[in-house]
Amino acid sequence: DVKVTQSSRYLVKRTGEKVFLECVQDMDHENMFWYRQDPGLGLRLIYFSYDVKMKEKGDIPEGYSVSREKKERFSLILESASTNQTSMYLCATLAGGPISGANVLTFGAGSRLTVL
Amino acid sequence: DQQVKQNSPSLSVQEGRISILNCDYTNSMFDYFLWYKKYPAEGPTFLISISSIKDKNEDGRFTVFLNKSAKHLSLHIVPSQPGDSAVYFCAATKNEKLTFGTGTRLTIIP
Repeated sequence: DVKVTQSSRYLVKRTGEKVFLECVQDMDHENMFWYRQDPGLGLRLIYFSYDVKMKEKGDIPEGYSVSREKKERFSLILESASTNQTSMYLCATLAGGPISGANVLTFGAGSRLTVL
Repeated sequence: DQQVKQNSPSLSVQEGRISILNCDYTNSMFDYFLWYKKYPAEGPTFLISISSIKDKNEDGRFTVFLNKSAKHLSLHIVPSQPGDSAVYFCAATKNEKLTFGTGTRLTIIP
């Protein structure tokens, strides 16, 4: 089974702080994603990466950046945290190729971030 | 622009009865449709999918129906069990990008 590990399950940060959310996967998947989940808004894609050092903006990239220096690790960075970034952050991975019934996103357990 | 919509934020169903969760979409170019289930404090887990060229897919107690002319899909759970209580997200995909709906919280009443 693919294991997607988000090392920080709960974080509390102050407005203006720099925040790093780390995601590590152990199955050599090419694609990695960062989503945020908010009540009434579902899961929204922030950034994704289809290869080392490659990144693509998702639907809501403003206020975020990402880093993928190694295939197994995908980091989400909040340069200056704001209260509207309080959310559940979910990392996911996908093997190469299009999504299908046999090739699906596998999610980590999530990181709940509170910005005060 | 919400391309995938779940208009019911919550649903309560008696244990043993059928649960029907609905989802509408606007983009006729989606390839696959998927349902994910999410428990609190856990990541979403894949439940069942359907190709855009099919109209039904069944896996045990779970069946997904796709009506392309109406741009509508539904998830049927029969019979509903207490462990089915969770938030359900429908999602649609084109290549490697997955677009999620807003979710429906299903509560199974014992």
